[in-house]
Amino acid sequence: DGGITQSPKYLFRKEGQNVTLSCEQNLNHDAMYWYRQDPGQGLRLIYYSQIVNDFQKGDIAEGYSVSREKKESFPLTVTSAQKNPTAFYLCASSTHRQGSHQETQYFGPGTRLLVL
Amino acid sequence: GNSVTQMEGPVTLSEEAFLTINCTYTATGYPSLFWYVQYPGEGLQLLLKATKADDKGSNKGFEATYRKETTSFHLEKGSVQVSDSAVYFCALVNQGGKLIFGQGTELSVKP
Repeated sequence: DGGITQSPKYLFRKEGQNVTLSCEQNLNHDAMYWYRQDPGQGLRLIYYSQIVNDFQKGDIAEGYSVSREKKESFPLTVTSAQKNPTAFYLCASSTHRQGSHQETQYFGPGTRLLVL
Repeated sequence: GNSVTQMEGPVTLSEEAFLTINCTYTATGYPSLFWYVQYPGEGLQLLLKATKADDKGSNKGFEATYRKETTSFHLEKGSVQVSDSAVYFCALVNQGGKLIFGQGTELSVKP
């Protein structure tokens, strides 16, 4: 079955700690994305990557970092600089064609991050 | 700039009632439009999409028509079920490829 997996489902962070959220896809998609969702709000884009070894900041990148060493994987690190990290984090992927606006993004099941 | 506005929730309906969730957008050019659904504690699932004016997207009894003249993409279903209870997000993709979401509308269907 093709799809997107995120792990862990729940993650707890202590003050001053960096934590990494995993996102893997076997859809052969070029583009991958990280979103943050806060209660009662829409999704906000943190980072995205359209190709291996390249990524771009989204609307709320401060306090986060990413890497894209493999096509299938796009891990997100929530650093200690992110002062309000409690949220639901969603990873997505899509095909990518330069200049096109029809690609559908497919989402993983999400990781809920809580601060102890 | 590009934006999406949805009607505020929560929307509470009885089973078999007719559903409309309004969505309007502001965009340059000709965006693609989407409805996603999020069940409690889960990620987003694509419900339907439309890529050009007058297209109708449909899935699982839900429908939405891309109306360029009114910049709208309202979601409708003729007879809702308890299992339709979820949060529904309207979204657009602009020519830069960025997905822009509305704030979401919570639907609660009572038996």
